[in-house]
Amino acid sequence: AQTVTQSQPEMSVQEAETVTLSCTYDTSESNYYLFWYKQPPSRQMILVIRQEAYKQQNATENRFSVNFQKAAKSFSLKISDSQLGDTAMYFCAFMRSNSGYALNFGKGTSLLVTP
Amino acid sequence: EAQVTQNPRYLITVTGKKLTVTCSQNMNHEYMSWYRQDPGLGLRQIYYSMNVEVTDKGDVPEGYKVSRKEKRNFPLILESPSPNQTSLYFCASSPSASPSYEQYFGPGTRLTVT
Repeated sequence: AQTVTQSQPEMSVQEAETVTLSCTYDTSESNYYLFWYKQPPSRQMILVIRQEAYKQQNATENRFSVNFQKAAKSFSLKISDSQLGDTAMYFCAFMRSNSGYALNFGKGTSLLVTP
Repeated sequence: EAQVTQNPRYLITVTGKKLTVTCSQNMNHEYMSWYRQDPGLGLRQIYYSMNVEVTDKGDVPEGYKVSRKEKRNFPLILESPSPNQTSLYFCASSPSASPSYEQYFGPGTRLTVT
């Protein structure tokens, strides 16, 4: 079974600074997808960034980038130039390719961006 | 506007009173899924559907039923709700059951069972 671990329940960063959220996962599959989702106070789940395991290049979406280390099974999210609107719960997720294509979520990291 | 809608958004009910949470998408997606979110546990899949009339259990299906009679709708049924089903529920859809497609989430339904 795949597990996703987010070891930082809460983090705080000042506006305009950079913050990195950690995620590790465990799987025996060779190809899979990894995701970071953002859940602001509105509770809406918003896809931030996606990484395909067979692609060695790290995914980037504007201020958001990942550091994907396949051998170490690590998938961290870096937020550059943090903004107040980045305050949210962030979930790392793994998608398995069998049994329903379910997103397997970590427990989340609550990020607070302060002025 | 492409979206996934859920109704109701908030519901307080009593133990044993049957309820249905509706989910509808207007994107002609084949794949739909239900998750529940509990503090400290992240989101866990309840049921999913690959297409009309094709449904299957996820990780936590006990106490829930689903149906997929139309492509756009995927209701979640709690025939005899219990307090341990108090949770935040999300419906999600994607074009097909493939990890290369993004799953679009509804706004969530906060359910409280007393």
